[in-house]
Amino acid sequence: DAKTTQPPSMDCAEGRAANLPCNHSTISGNEYVYWYRQIHSQGPQYIIHGLKNNETNEMASLIITEDRKSSTLILPHATLRDTAVYYCIVGPSGSARQLTFGSGTQLTVLP
Amino acid sequence: DAGVIQSPRHEVTEMGQEVTLRCKPISGHDYLFWYRQTMMRGLELLIYFNNNVPIDDSGMPEDRFSAKMPNASFSTLKIQPSEPRDSAVYFCASSYGGDIQYFGAGTRLSVL
Repeated sequence: DAKTTQPPSMDCAEGRAANLPCNHSTISGNEYVYWYRQIHSQGPQYIIHGLKNNETNEMASLIITEDRKSSTLILPHATLRDTAVYYCIVGPSGSARQLTFGSGTQLTVLP
Repeated sequence: DAGVIQSPRHEVTEMGQEVTLRCKPISGHDYLFWYRQTMMRGLELLIYFNNNVPIDDSGMPEDRFSAKMPNASFSTLKIQPSEPRDSAVYFCASSYGGDIQYFGAGTRLSVL
């Protein structure tokens, strides 16, 4: 699986959009970008994933650059409950494998 | 669906005792994963099953650890005998097709 690089921490004001970047310059053509988050004392939670087109669901939007070397997870209206560590993971779709979470980004939503 | 259900949520035991962690995956999912999370090592895959059959147990630390999946709706992770270094949060996750994994709330194990 390709390596990812994320900032260690970010702050965001409640109600504002949180934009979390991820670099994955060595991503292969068949690898997807997955985002998970882990709220303190809870299990990791799947958020969204995509291959090359932008994706949106009820939780977030995923913007992938045209060269696929980086992506941004967008939480459109962050709430205090969105405070968590966010993990960007790349890998092939549909294959059971270990999720390598790395260090992630600690997002703190401030009141 | 209630999601992945793990029990107990917390377990405190003494060194040398047997510990059994339980997991009920999401109905219809065909993959089940056991992970361990510590501050030092992060999240590590211990073993995973496909259709109740163990596929990869290379992450199981040693013979003290064993996992079973007798049917599609239940799995156990057993540690016998337990040691203080086994203290961690143990997560179970399930998946349909092995792709997106859905995690339980975890079992926090403390071995004294």
